[in-house]
Amino acid sequence: GESVGLHLPTLSVQEGDNSIINCAYSNSASDYFIWYKQESGKGPQFIIDIRSNMDKRQGQRVTVLLNKTVKHLSLQIAATQPGDSAVYFCAEINNNAGNMLTFGGGTRLMVKP
Amino acid sequence: DSGVTQTPKHLITATGQRVTLRCSPRSGDLSVYWYQQSLDQGLQFLIQYYNGEERAKGNILERFSAQQFPDLHSELNLSSLELGDSALYFCASSVDRYNEQFFGPGTRLTVL
Repeated sequence: GESVGLHLPTLSVQEGDNSIINCAYSNSASDYFIWYKQESGKGPQFIIDIRSNMDKRQGQRVTVLLNKTVKHLSLQIAATQPGDSAVYFCAEINNNAGNMLTFGGGTRLMVKP
Repeated sequence: DSGVTQTPKHLITATGQRVTLRCSPRSGDLSVYWYQQSLDQGLQFLIQYYNGEERAKGNILERFSAQQFPDLHSELNLSSLELGDSALYFCASSVDRYNEQFFGPGTRLTVL
């Protein structure tokens, strides 16, 4: 079946540096994408979203980029802080097929002080 | 705190048993979703309810069932439990079928 980024790499960055987390998706019909942050022992927490008619969206310290040509999504975190350490998941939704989230495998971000 | 509550927080049981996980959505949210998170499968969508009715089904086993009650809380029933059912089970809720989903803290199920 179609899937979203099924591996769990680890990204280690120095505090204060920028982080870039990548995600590949395979369902070209997906029209809504979300990044979630999951800290140990907690449920996924919404970070930022983007619709398929956009290629960039900025939030506070975070930016999501969408490249529909190569089906790639990235999350950029500026001035990474120790509190950013967590597992980050991208998720996609095809609104024509309901609101179920299809999650990628996740990336573990470790911030070194 | 997302506003979504789940009970119990932890559950330890034996193979062959049946358990019920409970979820209370955020106030005003009509849609409830159940997800399973295991080490080998990641986060997977199980089932969605909207205002008491089943709306979408994902990778949910026949041994699993769910319902959403008139007060909008939901229960996920897992029966004939197997070792492989050990996982975190998350509930999420949204205002309607097409809005941002807020996740609860999860129930950690351990099947021995």
